[in-house]
Amino acid sequence: DSGVTQTPKHLITATGQRVTLRCSPRSGDLSVYWYQQSLDQGLQFLIQYYNGEERAKGNILERFSAQQFPDLHSELNLSSLELGDSALYFCASSVDPGVPYGYTFGSGTRLTVV
Amino acid sequence: TQLLEQSPQFLSIQEGENLTVYCNSSSVFSSLQWYRQEPGEGPVLLVTVVTGGEVKKLKRLTFQFGDARKDSSLHITAAQTGDTGLYLCAGGVGDDKIIFGKGTRLHILP
Repeated sequence: DSGVTQTPKHLITATGQRVTLRCSPRSGDLSVYWYQQSLDQGLQFLIQYYNGEERAKGNILERFSAQQFPDLHSELNLSSLELGDSALYFCASSVDPGVPYGYTFGSGTRLTVV
Repeated sequence: TQLLEQSPQFLSIQEGENLTVYCNSSSVFSSLQWYRQEPGEGPVLLVTVVTGGEVKKLKRLTFQFGDARKDSSLHITAAQTGDTGLYLCAGGVGDDKIIFGKGTRLHILP
């Protein structure tokens, strides 16, 4: 157990629908990162939050949004889902934004859009 | 756009053999990390290197950061079946962003 909790583990939904993925960071970590992993693209950085504030954005689609709450858990909202959104979505956390400390990843949410 | 190229993409070797996998870029990184990922799980951080030329050892694994901080290698001595997995390198960009390579999928045969 890495200490980063992601729910649900699996999600199957239809095109056009909206889903919410949830992440609880490791105790004491203030930064949360969301990544999308597909076979052909590898791990793609989506967005980062630090202590409730958005800090960095990567290749996140406009249909996707995220937020970090006062208790530091984070949610990634995916809307108007398309078949191509099927992927593994990972949340990671770190004690602060400093890269050298490394990230702790959760086990991921496998999203299947049918 | 900063890219990390990992090679080889796939590697299948016998238990007991040695191997090296590579991570290369034309960009300079503030740090470089190696992760291992097993099916159905998230990546697990193995090591972070921050100084050009730095070498770190973790049991049978040796990690090296290139002098110019643009490349890195991971060498495994006497590979074991438990080493099987996807090995990802990740480069630090500035203070707070990491980009990942696509990984080397390693399979150790018994």
